[in-house]
Amino acid sequence: QQPVQSPQAVILREGEDAVINCSSSKALYSVHWYRQKHGEAPVFLMILLKGGEQKGHEKISASFNEKKQQSSLYLTASQLSYSGTYFCGTSPGNTPLVFGKGTRLSVIA
Amino acid sequence: DGGITQSPKYLFRKEGQNVTLSCEQNLNHDAMYWYRQDPGQGLRLIYYSQIVNDFQKGDIAEGYSVSREKKESFPLTVTSAQKNPTAFYLCASTRSGGTNVLTFGAGSRLTVL
Repeated sequence: QQPVQSPQAVILREGEDAVINCSSSKALYSVHWYRQKHGEAPVFLMILLKGGEQKGHEKISASFNEKKQQSSLYLTASQLSYSGTYFCGTSPGNTPLVFGKGTRLSVIA
Repeated sequence: DGGITQSPKYLFRKEGQNVTLSCEQNLNHDAMYWYRQDPGQGLRLIYYSQIVNDFQKGDIAEGYSVSREKKESFPLTVTSAQKNPTAFYLCASTRSGGTNVLTFGAGSRLTVL
């Protein structure tokens, strides 16, 4: 079942922060985050494997609440290069990822 | 450099024609996947293969076919039975026994005229 992402779209000014949420109705083993620029392939950002785990990637970090079956992606001090569509992908185990519909992030000067 | 090569990048097809999209990887990954992307729909799994000569249907396999005769190659055929084939198609791979981190190809955009 497809995870639900929110918001669908967000517009930020440079330097502002944003949070993107991903929730699933199924128990999760892992949550993946990818970013896709228009017309390009998605690029892997990070993976979270344990409940309550938080990982960071420059000014982008994420948390995973296994109990609530939710993950959040945090973008701080956004830059123009952060623009794109962010997807979460979830898996209950050793099965292919199921992706959410994506969150379109636009960062403006 | 290792990676995934998809071809063609753009493809136009008339209704009723089959078309095959190529996907080749030199990452020595065991598993390969085909996803379809439509605006606002995210990525939906068409087929996947975890070993040579074996593959499984994904969520939207109807109207598509695949083969996995070699570890490096996983071509996707969009048949005339696919009702709405215009989309962006992404091929991906992962190594087996890992955490399923996907490496994607650059994609193929199919337009049915």
